[in-house]
Amino acid sequence: AQTVTQSQPEMSVQEAETVTLSCTYDTSESDYYLFWYKQPPSRQMILVIRQEAYKQQNATENRFSVNFQKAAKSFSLKISDSQLGDAAMYFCASTIQGGSEKLVFGKGTKLTVNP
Amino acid sequence: ETGVTQTPRHLVMGMTNKKSLKCEQHLGHNAMYWYKQSAKKPLELMFVYNFKEQTENNSVPSRFSPECPNSSHLFLHLHTLQPEDSALYLCASSQERRLEAFFGQGTRLTVV
Repeated sequence: AQTVTQSQPEMSVQEAETVTLSCTYDTSESDYYLFWYKQPPSRQMILVIRQEAYKQQNATENRFSVNFQKAAKSFSLKISDSQLGDAAMYFCASTIQGGSEKLVFGKGTKLTVNP
Repeated sequence: ETGVTQTPRHLVMGMTNKKSLKCEQHLGHNAMYWYKQSAKKPLELMFVYNFKEQTENNSVPSRFSPECPNSSHLFLHLHTLQPEDSALYLCASSQERRLEAFFGQGTRLTVV
């Protein structure tokens, strides 16, 4: 079974600093997609960044970037110049195949941004 | 706002009640999903619909009954639920199954 593991239940960062959230996954597939989602207190899951496994180049989206290590099955999220609005639950997710692709989520990391 | 709307936002129901959750998207997506989010647990996929056809039922108890009348609407009918079914129920949609899913704000369900 495919699993996604986020080993940090909680993280905190000072405003304007950089923080890295960890994610590892386990899959036997060669082609898959990885995502980081953000869930603020409003509860709506919002896509932060997306990475195709066949691409070696790490995805970036403004202040958000990933460190994708395919061999190590690691997919960490780096948030630069942290802002108060970045405070949220962050979920790592991976697609799996098998007739009906679906997202498998980690348990999440709660990020606190201190002013 | 992601374009996926869920109603109601909050629902309290007794174990003998029957209620329905509604999800609506006008993004032109062809796949829709129900997820259950419980405290301290990963999001659990419940059902997947692709072009109105159910393509995934992730061993969900029959007291949860999905309905997808068209590619824009998805319902989750609830009956004789248990207190452990209390959770946040999230609906999502996507254009293609490999692309990102867009989520609604969820329905916070409490079973008393």
